[in-house]
Amino acid sequence: GAVVSQHPSWVICKSGTSVKIECRSLDFQATTMFWYRQFPKQSLMLMATSNEGSKATYEQGVEKDKFLINHASLTLSTLTVTSAHPEDSSFYICSAPLRGGLGNEQFFGPGTRLTVL
Amino acid sequence: DAKTTQPTSMDCAEGRAANLPCNHSTISGNEYVYWYRQIHSQGPQYIIHGLKNNETNEMASLIITEDRKSSTLILPHATLRDTAVYYCIVRVGNAGNMLTFGGGTRLMVKP
Repeated sequence: GAVVSQHPSWVICKSGTSVKIECRSLDFQATTMFWYRQFPKQSLMLMATSNEGSKATYEQGVEKDKFLINHASLTLSTLTVTSAHPEDSSFYICSAPLRGGLGNEQFFGPGTRLTVL
Repeated sequence: DAKTTQPTSMDCAEGRAANLPCNHSTISGNEYVYWYRQIHSQGPQYIIHGLKNNETNEMASLIITEDRKSSTLILPHATLRDTAVYYCIVRVGNAGNMLTFGGGTRLMVKP
């Protein structure tokens, strides 16, 4: 099946620093990618929709100036957590839909665990 | 997207069939039933999906009731590696749409 990768798989940073997370579709092109956040023992919550060549669409309550999304190519979307604080510590997951693929399913990355000290 | 209701948790003995129910009484005619699972600290994994007919693949079977208001995911021979949170999601069958995750069912397969 199609593969989506994320880098890094985990990161620890100090409060106030910025962290960039990459999401790549390895063997297919994705004009749209989705970013989710998951806190411990909770379900995935959609943060934003990343669109290649245009601005991202953010869900209500998600600060666009804090979570910067850049979808620079058909295989890469990046999420930058700016001025990270301990409350931003979470599991960040991206997904990309495989249009026309069997089942029209979405493929998820392995996730990035962010810990802000 | 239609709302789904799943039990919070279930146990299953290794080697036995795991039957995971999902209620989606407000499903629309053009909405599919999708199942994903998330193993601890990993991204979700697609399992199966269906519209009206029962479906089977190498991972599982999906049984959808005739009125489409509920469905059951069946793992025929559960293994310890099937321990995960299973999400039932109902939505229009367009790969471009995002997925809305509910609470899911935490399946624990025990030896």
